[in-house]
Amino acid sequence: SQQGEEDPQALSIQEGENATMNCSYKTSINNLQWYRQNSGRGLVHLILIRSNEREKHSGRLRVTLDTSKKSSSLLITASRAADTASYFCAPRPIQGAQKLVFGQGTRLTINP
Amino acid sequence: DVKVTQSSRYLVKRTGEKVFLECVQDMDHENMFWYRQDPGLGLRLIYFSYDVKMKEKGDIPEGYSVSREKKERFSLILESASTNQTSMYLCASRHGTAYGYTFGSGTRLTVV
Repeated sequence: SQQGEEDPQALSIQEGENATMNCSYKTSINNLQWYRQNSGRGLVHLILIRSNEREKHSGRLRVTLDTSKKSSSLLITASRAADTASYFCAPRPIQGAQKLVFGQGTRLTINP
Repeated sequence: DVKVTQSSRYLVKRTGEKVFLECVQDMDHENMFWYRQDPGLGLRLIYFSYDVKMKEKGDIPEGYSVSREKKERFSLILESASTNQTSMYLCASRHGTAYGYTFGSGTRLTVV
């Protein structure tokens, strides 16, 4: 399968806490992308990490990639109510790279 | 910012109707995609297009066709709408395989 598998399926934390979501995949990749989807809306591209990178930051987001374990994590620091959304990882495989396959996502709820 | 515009946010159609879902992007992206999203099934790729007049089947093309006569516009066609095509439809575009997707806001289609 070319898709990423997000874990956990659902996560509920208090505002201000950090949220960590994990992604595992099975194929060799060129890059891995994380997306956010607010309820009833389209997905928003958050960050892309290339296979030769181990860590990448964007604002309160920190993404790590371990190609030896075929896994990635997304850390959101100092969470806010507006971070409530579903988060998807999308590994871009070396083979069949024209399309991304999305998993079920992690549903993150930030409680005030 | 790149913008991907889907013509309708909500659409209600009758069984057997021919339905056109339109998607327009404004940044000269070569690649465009149509996904549908259903609870418990995640996002599934219907069709994608590398460039004008080119199209490739995704994972669930049955009952759908597409048209890409101009680079900026990618249309999804439901030849004869059925109730099992009730879903959220998401259009996306990207410049090339090294880039992330930009998604539209989605069209929630209900077939009655």
